[in-house]
Amino acid sequence: KAGVTQTPRYLIKTRGQQVTLSCSPISGHRSVSWYQQTPGQGLQFLFEYFSETQRNKGNFPGRFSGRQFSNSRSEMNVSTLELGDSALYLCASSLADLREQFFGPGTRLTVL
Amino acid sequence: AQKVTQAQTEISVVEKEDVTLDCVYETRDTTYYLFWYKQPPSGELVFLIRRNSFDEQNEISGRYSWNFQKSTSSFNFTITASQVVDSAVYFCALKWDSSYKLIFGSGTRLLVRP
Repeated sequence: KAGVTQTPRYLIKTRGQQVTLSCSPISGHRSVSWYQQTPGQGLQFLFEYFSETQRNKGNFPGRFSGRQFSNSRSEMNVSTLELGDSALYLCASSLADLREQFFGPGTRLTVL
Repeated sequence: AQKVTQAQTEISVVEKEDVTLDCVYETRDTTYYLFWYKQPPSGELVFLIRRNSFDEQNEISGRYSWNFQKSTSSFNFTITASQVVDSAVYFCALKWDSSYKLIFGSGTRLLVRP
């Protein structure tokens, strides 16, 4: 069974731009979660989607948004990028109850 | 408050030594799940184990073992006869029953020297 895939793996953007990251979950998994990892703040929860509905959202500004499609694939968008948005963005998929989350390789975003 | 504490920031051992990574958690819920993940330099978080709050039985998987103690709110992870390939950052995480997210500890960086 293929694992969680994330594209692109690396991104370089400049301040003020916007970016869209994509995540394809493991086949059969309908829950997709997003996390931001930075050296200073560690791993922080962004949001979780199940069947195209956002069930939970972390403490991030409205510049961070996401969505999930009917095939369970998910995208997250960050608008008006700031230097502090430079991070590794990890996507995880699971069954509905999130008792086991499997992570993708991440997208490393650098904001210049 | 729901919280996970990994007090050991970095541990360095010589190959074949045993090493224990500590994890202390806080939660108000009676039903919760604890996890350990490994993050090698490539960045991907690799799932190692999940434990639910009703199962305090310790678990062994090869060189890995986990000690779950509700009395001390701890879920410690021991690697026996460590190997260089065990070098990574290890994260402990908590999910309570009604939540749809994991709360991670700050991670412990393990360096196994040859």
